[in-house]
Amino acid sequence: QVQLQESGPGLVKPSQTLSLTCTVSGGSSSGGNYYWSWIRQPAGKGLEWIGRIYNGGSTNYNPSLKSRVTMSVDTSRNQFSLRLTSVTAADTAVYFCARLKNSGIYSYFDYWGQGTLVTVSS
Amino acid sequence: QSVLTQPPSVSEAPRQRVTISCSGSSSNIGNNAVNWYQQLPGKAPKVLIYYDALLPSGVSDRFSGSKSGNSASLAISGLQSEDEADYYCAAWDDTLNGPVFGTGTKVTVL
Repeated sequence: QVQLQESGPGLVKPSQTLSLTCTVSGGSSSGGNYYWSWIRQPAGKGLEWIGRIYNGGSTNYNPSLKSRVTMSVDTSRNQFSLRLTSVTAADTAVYFCARLKNSGIYSYFDYWGQGTLVTVSS
Repeated sequence: QSVLTQPPSVSEAPRQRVTISCSGSSSNIGNNAVNWYQQLPGKAPKVLIYYDALLPSGVSDRFSGSKSGNSASLAISGLQSEDEADYYCAAWDDTLNGPVFGTGTKVTVL
């Protein structure tokens, strides 16, 4: 059974950088038709896809966040990470990591972390 | 930033059937598979339906999905109290080159 677990600071000051890591267990962050993604959800609101990374390091980011987002993967540690720079209060949200299963015809998030709340405040 | 539109809420009595609609465009639903996720309070989303109408292993067959043109629907039959949750549709968007989610629908069992 694949499990994902987010980790990182729960409080970030405005204008600073948000950094989160997702650790994958029960499976590998390398190989297979899977992408690793970050998704966020402000309190009481819907889900927003942030971006995805393949185990080879190729990435796709949501254009609305692209200028501030960097994702990376460390297959030796079965981890992938998110960096979001110049944060504001609008970046306060629960951040989920998830595995995106891709068949070539369809894709969906089949495993999710429990989510971690990141608050941007001074 | 949701580009898929869902009704904010639906409610029905136990054992009845509810349907949740999801409206998109040719760049997402019209050209790509639709997935549905259930999010229980305080929990991560869980996939209910993928590729328009397929059920992952372990998901109750009380859930069913369909798609026509740029719209999709999720039906829940035999409604139970445990079905009270937020439901999100999602589809790949060719313009975004990534997945887009619906606005979300809260299901209440009366």
